[in-house]
Amino acid sequence: GEDVEQSLFLSVREGDSSVINCTYTDSSSTYLYWYKQEPGAGLQLLTYIFSNMDMKQDQRLTVLLNKKDKHLSLRIADTQTGDSAIYFCAENYGGSQGNLIFGKGTKLSVKP
Amino acid sequence: DTGVSQNPRHKITKRGQNVTFRCDPISEHNRLYWYRQTLGQGPEFLTYFQNEAQLEKSRLLSDRFSAERPKGSFSTLEIQRTEQGDSAMYLCASKRDTEAFFGQGTRLTVV
Repeated sequence: GEDVEQSLFLSVREGDSSVINCTYTDSSSTYLYWYKQEPGAGLQLLTYIFSNMDMKQDQRLTVLLNKKDKHLSLRIADTQTGDSAIYFCAENYGGSQGNLIFGKGTKLSVKP
Repeated sequence: DTGVSQNPRHKITKRGQNVTFRCDPISEHNRLYWYRQTLGQGPEFLTYFQNEAQLEKSRLLSDRFSAERPKGSFSTLEIQRTEQGDSAMYLCASKRDTEAFFGQGTRLTVV
C-alpha cells in the first residue's frame, strides 16, 4: 500500500543548511507537500511541488524531487532557531482529487 | 481570520461520553478532510467531503464515528461512546485546488 518514510530526527547549528529527506511509494502522486508543525499546533503548509518538476525554490526553501527514485527533499538555508519544529512530507494519494498520506515527521532541532 | 477554524481547541471527556467537533473551512473550498494524529505520528486520513457529499471513509473510521457537512459549509465530527484509544488530535483541512490548509486541531483527551 501507500507509504511515506522520513528519518525521525535532525539536528543542525543555527546558520547551517538543513536537509530533510522523504521517500514515497505512490507513483501516481501528482503533488508532494512539505508541512511544518510546531508543538500543540496544526500543520502549516510550507511548499509543494508538482510531480513533473524536479526543483522548486521559495525563499530559504528548496524542494528537490527525484521521481524515478520516489525521493523528495527539503533544504532550509540559513536555518534559524524558529525553524525548530516537526516537518512532514505528504503525497497526494490517488492524484489531485485524493487525500494526503503523511510520513511520521522529522523533528528538526536547531542549536544556537 | 480567513483560515480553517476548529472548535473546541481542547476537549476532556469521560470514557463512554459522546463528543462533537466542528470545522469551519476556508470559504469557497469545496473539499474538506478530517485527519487524526496521535503522539509521534503523522496525520492519518479519516474522511473526505466534496461539498456536502462524503466521498471517502478510512477503515480507521469505526461505526462510533460519524461526520457531516450540511450544505457544504462547516463540518462536524462526532464520536459516540468514546474510548481511551480515541485520545488524539483531530485535524480538519480544506482544499480547493492543490493546496490543503489545516486548522489548529482539536485535542481530545478521554479519561
